[in-house]
Amino acid sequence: GDSVTQMEGPVTLSEEAFLTINCTYTATGYPSLFWYVQYPGEGLQLLLKATKADDKGSNKGFEATYRKETTSFHLEKGSVQVSDSAVYFCALNGGSNYKLTFGKGTLLTVNP
Amino acid sequence: DSGVTQTPKHLITATGQRVTLRCSPRSGDLSVYWYQQSLDQGLQFLIQYYNGEERAKGNILERFSAQQFPDLHSELNLSSLELGDSALYFCASSVGYRSYEQYFGPGTRLTVT
Repeated sequence: GDSVTQMEGPVTLSEEAFLTINCTYTATGYPSLFWYVQYPGEGLQLLLKATKADDKGSNKGFEATYRKETTSFHLEKGSVQVSDSAVYFCALNGGSNYKLTFGKGTLLTVNP
Repeated sequence: DSGVTQTPKHLITATGQRVTLRCSPRSGDLSVYWYQQSLDQGLQFLIQYYNGEERAKGNILERFSAQQFPDLHSELNLSSLELGDSALYFCASSVGYRSYEQYFGPGTRLTVT
């Protein structure tokens, strides 16, 4: 079945540091890939998406590129802010299923 | 604000009881999805409804059931509650039954004591 593996947290960075959160997936067919963010006490917000190989999703300075050859969708940001502190979830929507399959989430804490 | 609303925000109840969680999708969305978020299992898909009909089932226990009404709001019913049912329950919605993007509500935190 479909699965998503993302790097274990927590990740602690200083403001303006570079962020990478690794995500790899296993899926049949051609899934769409997503990053969701969950701020403390809130629901999940769609951060960015990519629907086919080599697509780059981007939003709010975050980027991720759909790499079919390495089955990866790593999240990056060049300069993190304290307000980026949250839990980040990598997810996929498989070709034959319409549910989202999530990774376990990575807690990011950014210190001033 | 995603446009998806869920009530109540918090629910505390005892083992063996039954509760109902409510979700209203974004205006225009026909699909509703339910997810459970717990510390040990992470985020797990429970069930999907599209325009009143069940479309897909995930790891949903037999003690749990859901439905979607003609006005498209959905309810998730949890019965014979156990301590292990304590979790955050999220509802999400999308336009179609095969939509790439799902928009999540703020969740209902259920505590079973």
